[in-house]
Amino acid sequence: AQSVTQLDSQVPVFEEAPVELRCNYSSSVSVYLFWYVQYPNQGLQLLLKYLSGSTLVKGINGFEAEFNKSQTSFHLRKPSVHISDTAEYFCAVVQGGSEKLVFGKGTKLTVNP
Amino acid sequence: NAGVTQTPKFQVLKTGQSMTLQCAQDMNHEYMSWYRQDPGMGLRLIHYSVGAGITDQGEVPNGYNVSRSTTEDFPLRLLSAAPSQTSVYFCASREGDRFYGYTFGSGTRLTVV
Repeated sequence: AQSVTQLDSQVPVFEEAPVELRCNYSSSVSVYLFWYVQYPNQGLQLLLKYLSGSTLVKGINGFEAEFNKSQTSFHLRKPSVHISDTAEYFCAVVQGGSEKLVFGKGTKLTVNP
Repeated sequence: NAGVTQTPKFQVLKTGQSMTLQCAQDMNHEYMSWYRQDPGMGLRLIHYSVGAGITDQGEVPNGYNVSRSTTEDFPLRLLSAAPSQTSVYFCASREGDRFYGYTFGSGTRLTVV
């Protein structure tokens, strides 16, 4: 069965600093990968997705992620964060042909002034 | 378009009571899913549906029933509520052609006392 590990449960950073949220998944022949963001008391919003093709994926709000098949990783990055990026971020993976989207346990990003 | 609509937003149940969480989408999406979110656990799949009349179990199906009589609606039933079912429940839907990612509702916060 697929599994997702988000290596940091909490990440505090200062405003305008770069950030990387780490995600590793269990190996599979064909996977689709996603990052979702959840603001307090809200549902989940899709940040970006990797389906195929270029391993560098750009999403909304200036975020990007890189798919690394050999390291089974899909780390999320942003070069300069804002206070408004404070939220919880979830990495998710689904095996091709399956409906079972598997989520990591989440990383709480706190951006301090 | 309203997207994915969940009702109610909040609910308190007594142990042993039954209730139905409602989920409706107006995007003509084939695929729908129910997740529960617990602190430090991420989101876990309860049940999913690949079309009207077709449902299947996810990771944590015990204590929950679903049915899909129309494309638009995918209700989740708790037959006899237990305190362990205290959680935030999210419904999600997606298009059928490719796995572009799920659109999530805003959630139902359920407390079982």
